[in-house]
Amino acid sequence: GENVEQHPSTLSVQEGDSAVIKCTYSDSASNYFPWYKQELGKRPQLIIDIRSNVGEKKDQRIAVTLNKTAKHFSLHITETQPEDSAVYFCAARDTGRRALTFGSGTRLQVQP
Amino acid sequence: DADVTQTPRNRITKTGKRIMLECSQTKGHDRMYWYRQDPGLGLRLIYYSFDVKDINKGEISDGYSVSRQAQAKFSLSLESAIPNQTALYFCATSENTGELFFGEGSRLTVL
Repeated sequence: GENVEQHPSTLSVQEGDSAVIKCTYSDSASNYFPWYKQELGKRPQLIIDIRSNVGEKKDQRIAVTLNKTAKHFSLHITETQPEDSAVYFCAARDTGRRALTFGSGTRLQVQP
Repeated sequence: DADVTQTPRNRITKTGKRIMLECSQTKGHDRMYWYRQDPGLGLRLIYYSFDVKDINKGEISDGYSVSRQAQAKFSLSLESAIPNQTALYFCATSENTGELFFGEGSRLTVL
């Protein structure tokens, strides 16, 4: 099955700085890569996703890039704000199970 | 608003007890999932179902069973709970190819 590795496990940045979270996946046939944000005590919610037919996608301050050759994808958050503080999960759709396999999560702390 | 509802939200039980976590949804989605969340381990897939007659094991199905009673209901059972099943459990739904919609989670503690 799919294996997704996520780094770093924790990330602390100053407000206004950029944050980058990286993930690698193992199944070269995976075709869908979402990112979820989980605020403290809340459920995970989708913030952005990318499919394998594009290399980059942006939505305001967040962007995701995908390198299919290297089997890695990254989340970029610019101009970070305290409300960006949360745990972020990357995921890849396992073509065998046809379900999402998640990374282990990154706890982002934005210092005011 | 259409939503995914989990019951109970919190449960404390003893080793060896049978526990059922229930999930219902009003989103009209065919696909339903159970994930388990542990600190530092992310969200791991326990079981998933693409329709009422379809049940599939995930990566950590041992010690768990599920029942898809209707399109809108998907329950997770622990036949004989053990302490290392202490975790936060999430039910989720999705349409064919896209976003997962999570319930609020069920926190289970096994003593």
